[in-house]
Amino acid sequence: EVQLVESGGGLVKPGGSLRLSCAASGFTFSSYSMNWVRQAPGKGLEWVSSISSSSSYIYYADSVKGRFTISRDNAKNSLYLQMNSLRAEDTAVYYCAREIAVAGTRFDYWGQGTLVTVSS
Amino acid sequence: DIQMTQSPSSLSASVGDRVTITCQASQDISNYLNWYQQKPGKAPKLLIYDASNLETGVPSRFSGSGSGTDFTFTISSLQPEDIATYYCQQYDNLPLFGGGTKVEIK
Repeated sequence: EVQLVESGGGLVKPGGSLRLSCAASGFTFSSYSMNWVRQAPGKGLEWVSSISSSSSYIYYADSVKGRFTISRDNAKNSLYLQMNSLRAEDTAVYYCAREIAVAGTRFDYWGQGTLVTVSS
Repeated sequence: DIQMTQSPSSLSASVGDRVTITCQASQDISNYLNWYQQKPGKAPKLLIYDASNLETGVPSRFSGSGSGTDFTFTISSLQPEDIATYYCQQYDNLPLFGGGTKVEIK
């Protein structure tokens, strides 16, 4: 069974940093691109970042470029999001999502999410 | 940059009704369009990929159509468990979600 479990969320002050983790199981993690998607309270979904299976290709939304860094450790079946210079508008539930690119590209499995609150 | 316009933002329908949601892209995205369902407090769930392909295990009352710039998502007979917010998502370039449609029971 595919499982994605996020952790690392919490309360942080503006300008602070936080590192999110996503532990993957039930599939060959090293074969899939992975993504972070966030959802501000009461708002819609916003794609944040993606990383290819071997970390060769990395992309960011303009809203986080230069502040967030996505990475992965295939030996540990883990995905990470290092978030620096956090702002109030980064407050959201952060989901990790597996990307499948067979007959199209889509996010077929999602974690339960971890809440990040940026507030003084 | 591609813009995705999803409508309506909310709707109310009766059990058994046919429900239709539209998503319009600002430029041609071929069939690079997915639909997700999100129930309150839960993670999104993939329903439709490549505009019209039903994800494994998803009930057949859900369907999608369209290509180019105009796409439609349909629930043929609304069920109480379909109460959720539905999102379209394009992947012609970087992933981008529509604004969502909240579906409620009348």
